[in-house]
Amino acid sequence: QKEVEQDPGPLSVPEGAIVSLNCTYSNSAFQYFMWYRQYSRKGPELLMYTYSSGNKEDGRFTAQVDKSSKYISLFIRDSQPSDSATYLCAMSEGNTGFQKLVFGTGTRLLVSP
Amino acid sequence: DAGITQSPRHKVTETGTPVTLRCHQTENHRYMYWYRQDPGHGLRLIHYSYGVKDTDKGEVSDGYSVSRSKTEDFLLTLESATSSQTSVYFCAISGTAQETQYFGPGTRLLVL
Repeated sequence: QKEVEQDPGPLSVPEGAIVSLNCTYSNSAFQYFMWYRQYSRKGPELLMYTYSSGNKEDGRFTAQVDKSSKYISLFIRDSQPSDSATYLCAMSEGNTGFQKLVFGTGTRLLVSP
Repeated sequence: DAGITQSPRHKVTETGTPVTLRCHQTENHRYMYWYRQDPGHGLRLIHYSYGVKDTDKGEVSDGYSVSRSKTEDFLLTLESATSSQTSVYFCAISGTAQETQYFGPGTRLLVL
């Protein structure tokens, strides 16, 4: 079983829809949680970075962390065709000499006009 | 891509040949990382560096070596390429161990 599980999709939604992307994890020591967006044939770019539990909002994006359930979510409001990409979750314990990130395999999102 | 370039961007090589990939950063960040990305596996850490001449192994380091002689450059070498090393390779940087990582544009490597 992988440390981080993520549904590969694709997830297809119409423009304007609210999108929910999720990851589950098994390591209770994870403290730092990230979401990256990756366009086709590009490098991952950081979208959201949260520490411990709770919510964080940035524009149309909201990240939620539920450590009791070992579950993190990314919500995208008013989705746009430009949001079509693969979304990667990543997490780390944060107590090692470097930030060992563990990634999910990514969920592909398609937003149709 | 946060002041990170990778070269070459695409490479086709034959089994058994040596290959070197270069990551160059203009951010003066201390930490640099090499990952590979494969379908069904996500991003996996190969090696990382925490300073000039300071490197260590990651999760999938077998068959790879690295060197860092300057802050701005981190080289990944496949001593004798195999078909299982066909992948997309990403370099990442971070300013401190606790800061998140920023990724380069990637190098697509095909080993025939």
